[in-house]
Amino acid sequence: DTEVTQTPKHLVMGMTNKKSLKCEQHMGHRAMYWYKQKAKKPPELMFVYSYEKLSINESVPSRFSPECPNSSLLNLHLHALQPEDSALYLCASSDAPSFTGELFFGEGSRLTVL
Amino acid sequence: KNEVEQSPQNLTAQEGEFITINCSYSVGISALHWLQQHPGGGIVSLFMLSSGKKKHGRLIATINIQEKHSSLHITASHPRDSAVYICAVVRADGLTFGKGTHLIIQP
Repeated sequence: DTEVTQTPKHLVMGMTNKKSLKCEQHMGHRAMYWYKQKAKKPPELMFVYSYEKLSINESVPSRFSPECPNSSLLNLHLHALQPEDSALYLCASSDAPSFTGELFFGEGSRLTVL
Repeated sequence: KNEVEQSPQNLTAQEGEFITINCSYSVGISALHWLQQHPGGGIVSLFMLSSGKKKHGRLIATINIQEKHSSLHITASHPRDSAVYICAVVRADGLTFGKGTHLIIQP
């Protein structure tokens, strides 16, 4: 299994809602990443988990809250988002925590905030 | 000046043509990724390079560390190769992405 699975594929939420994005991989990778991608722009790194510990937080607003319950799962909890947070949220994993391993990306969760 | 520059930004070619996409960078790196993104989402990792050349099917990637330059070649291009191709360099503090090359292969 060389897949990174993200759910849901599409999410529409209001600014007062609380929702979560989920990411799962069963490749035994010890590094997992959340990226945010706006239309026609490259991905922007949000968070890195290495061995289930948060190792990089790229000054992301607190309305985004990551969680790594175990080595296979990565969640992104969303609360009180703004319309400008609408974007494609990509999860990735790699077997080497320093970005030098091959990267595996999920299909993304397309988020629309109304 | 961006730390990672890709060229061309947009490329339209006919099916069967040989395609070259270039990536130049101005910082020290430990590796370089070539990624492919189709409309609507997911990203596929094509290659990770730290030296030399790699080949997978019709795709070839090369890197010259001294010249800080990498190229992605597609032989016998096909409409299904239409996508955005992204170069990303690995630095100590993470990945730095190029802006991507939007490739369209016409039948």
